[in-house]
Amino acid sequence: NAGVTQTPKFQVLKTGQSMTLQCAQDMNHEYMSWYRQDPGMGLRLIHYSVGAGITDQGEVPNGYNVSRSTTEDFPLRLLSAAPSQTSVYFCASWRGGNYGYTFGSGTRLTVV
Amino acid sequence: GNSVTQMEGPVTLSEEAFLTINCTYTATGYPSLFWYVQYPGEGLQLLLKATKADDKGSNKGFEATYRKETTSFHLEKGSVQVSDSAVYFCALQETSGSRLTFGEGTQLTVNP
Repeated sequence: NAGVTQTPKFQVLKTGQSMTLQCAQDMNHEYMSWYRQDPGMGLRLIHYSVGAGITDQGEVPNGYNVSRSTTEDFPLRLLSAAPSQTSVYFCASWRGGNYGYTFGSGTRLTVV
Repeated sequence: GNSVTQMEGPVTLSEEAFLTINCTYTATGYPSLFWYVQYPGEGLQLLLKATKADDKGSNKGFEATYRKETTSFHLEKGSVQVSDSAVYFCALQETSGSRLTFGEGTQLTVNP
């Protein structure tokens, strides 16, 4: 099915470990974004990309890196996990115009 | 900067009750406005949208009207069902870019 695929769905990390959250879309959307969802705070933008090779920071970029080598993939890297990064992470893509974003099903990350 | 404020939750209703979830925004220019819904364990789905003042978005019995004079986009449904239980997010998107700004989310529970 066309859409946004995120892996893994669940992950537990120890403080200081690194990992990559994967995100892939098969709709040929240029725009992709990463959000984190925390109780009472809605979704906050971490990083976004307007096309392959182009990325920029959102509201809460510290502790996260991204790259966009292809249109399809937009991985999110945690270089040294901290308990404050415990959250649910959503990847989303957008075709532009007046269309809404398409979201993945999320990755629930716990840092202990 | 842009911001979205939603009524505080959670909201608990009986089946067939009338629903209103308030949403107000602050933005420069003329943003597009959205309501997204998140069912338990899933990602966000676009519920409805409005792209200019006085537009009414509607879907699945839900409606919201873009009110520029009151900077509001309140979500309404005349008769809720148990299956409407979810978290509802109001969001705005700048006309000049791709970034979404979300409200805090409102948890709706509908009891039979």
